Amino acid sequence: EADIYQTPRYLVIGTGKKITLECSQTMGHDKMYWYQQDPGMELHLIHYSYGVNSTEKGDLSSESTVSRIRTEHFPLTLESARPSHTSQYLCASSKRSLTGVGANVLTFGAGSRLTVL
Amino acid sequence: LAKTTQPISMDSYEGQEVNITCSHNNIATNDYITWYQQFPSQGPRFIIQGYKTKVTNEVASLFIPADRKSSTLSLPRVSLSDTAVYYCLVGTRDDKIIFGKGTRLHILP
Repeated sequence: EADIYQTPRYLVIGTGKKITLECSQTMGHDKMYWYQQDPGMELHLIHYSYGVNSTEKGDLSSESTVSRIRTEHFPLTLESARPSHTSQYLCASSKRSLTGVGANVLTFGAGSRLTVL
Repeated sequence: LAKTTQPISMDSYEGQEVNITCSHNNIATNDYITWYQQFPSQGPRFIIQGYKTKVTNEVASLFIPADRKSSTLSLPRVSLSDTAVYYCLVGTRDDKIIFGKGTRLHILP
């Protein structure tokens, strides 16, 4: 059973539209992440959060923005979608520990595949 | 974040044991070694984590030598459904959990 939920699973939208990809987790995890991945390519970290009211940029520059108003919810928004934003977006969460047992153990959602025409 | 090096791709046959080795020469004292599996169009899935010696679960075994500068993920008696990309992660970089290119494992009938 999924403990981290992403909606929509698939979205096809026109250029210039505003979109929000939803991500919710029921595990009480402090840390949440957004990764972007094109087919057959590497995962790139675009945003992460330590907890409520915390958001950080990842390794790959992204025009998207995120917010973390509630522990369980970490939505990603594109104000004006472009064809270059076409990709799969994967949300993940983990416990807060940075070292020791459980560090780097992420639970991923099923992903949101975005196509911008 | 310890830099990791894995083979880009591997082929094997059904029923064989597959070993994927990851090098991480600058692993830090506190770092654990974590492996993930990713199928096409899905998010990565945690497989196994270890600190030293050997760890085994229902999916795989992880062998870590005493110097911890490498680790080997062992998949016993693979099937076609084990075809996936396997990632080795060690530590974080400024709290960022970064996935490398991984190893693309292709199981042949």
